[in-house]
Amino acid sequence: GNSVTQMEGPVTLSEEAFLTINCTYTATGYPSLFWYVQYPGEGLQLLLKATKADDKGSNKGFEATYRKETTSFHLEKGSVQVSDSAVYFCALETDSWGKLQFGAGTQVVVTP
Amino acid sequence: DTAVSQTPKYLVTQMGNDKSIKCEQNLGHDTMYWYKQDSKKFLKIMFSYNNKELIINETVPNRFSPKSPDKAHLNLHINSLELGDSAVYFCATGETQYFGPGTRLLVL
Repeated sequence: GNSVTQMEGPVTLSEEAFLTINCTYTATGYPSLFWYVQYPGEGLQLLLKATKADDKGSNKGFEATYRKETTSFHLEKGSVQVSDSAVYFCALETDSWGKLQFGAGTQVVVTP
Repeated sequence: DTAVSQTPKYLVTQMGNDKSIKCEQNLGHDTMYWYKQDSKKFLKIMFSYNNKELIINETVPNRFSPKSPDKAHLNLHINSLELGDSAVYFCATGETQYFGPGTRLLVL
């Protein structure tokens, strides 16, 4: 079946540090892949997505590349800010109706 | 204008009660979803509607009944609430899934 595995948190970083959150998936076919961010007390927001192999999604300084050979979609940001503190979810689309399978989420804490 | 709104934002109730959560979207999307997020932040889809028709119905107790009176609304009714129903319930709409702010349900 389909599954998404994310690195466990919390990930604690200093401001301006480099952030990587690992995400690997298991799926049949070639699903679209997503990263969502959830700030404290809020709903999820789409951060970026990629729909086919080797696509790179990017937004707000975050990037992730769809790697079919390693079934991965790792999230990276070169220089984090305190405002990036949130929970980040990797997800894959499992059918044509938009059903999403989410990873367990990774909490990121950025300290000044 | 809020794109996806949910009411109420907080809901505290006793076991055995029946309650409803409402979702409204003004984005014109055909598809709407309900998700449940547990205390460990794990998210799981519950239902999806497309043009008022149910298209995804995950393994959810039949105490949960979604209703879509029109394309802009998807409500969730829960009968005989149990302690394990305590969670945050999110409505989402559209292909890339715009999420509402969530309804925090606490069953005592």
